Amino acid sequence: AQSVTQLDSHVSVSEGTPVLLRCNYSSSYSPSLFWYVQHPNKGLQLLLKYTSAATLVKGINGFEAEFKKSETSFHLTKPSAHMSDAAEYFCVVTARSNDYKLSFGAGTTVTVRA
Amino acid sequence: SQTIHQWPATLVQPVGSPLSLECTVEGTSNPNLYWYRQAAGRGLQLLFYSVGIGQISSEVPQNLSASRPQDRQFILSSKKLLLSDSGFYLCACGGRGEKLFFGSGTQLSVL
Repeated sequence: AQSVTQLDSHVSVSEGTPVLLRCNYSSSYSPSLFWYVQHPNKGLQLLLKYTSAATLVKGINGFEAEFKKSETSFHLTKPSAHMSDAAEYFCVVTARSNDYKLSFGAGTTVTVRA
Repeated sequence: SQTIHQWPATLVQPVGSPLSLECTVEGTSNPNLYWYRQAAGRGLQLLFYSVGIGQISSEVPQNLSASRPQDRQFILSSKKLLLSDSGFYLCACGGRGEKLFFGSGTQLSVL
């Protein structure tokens, strides 16, 4: 079975402080993992992806994520939050052996306080 | 690169009326295609996915159906809409371990 659990439905941070969005996955196969961001009234944008290369993945806008197979986690971090980071974030898992069917997490809403 | 055309952008339909949302893809062949729904306050839910013409997999039991009459065309339909069908519908293309491309979405309101 393949699934994604985003452990926090809502994260609130102050501008300039670190952001941590937690994601745990379940997959019977070697997975590919993604983080997408959805800003209000806009489409989904890819932040970063892991596809069996380096376990620490750097994405756009200062975000990065670390793939930890032993913990089945793919947490997203950013050292210093910006007001423009306020959005909905989705963790996604897929695997070739599962027809590349995508499983989305329920999403984490990030709010940034001035 | 791939481009997804999805229409209409917004739609208001009465309960019990039919539905047809269309999605077409450019810039690729034999793509995986997906229909997602995002209900208010909830995450994205996979409704259907297709790995080829006429091949449709349904992920959740519901009032909706999907068809893929051509390689780059994916249609979401309903014979009779329910209030609970309201939401934001996204067509997506790609996968196979690589980047997903999303359409611009359709905001459906069933009244």
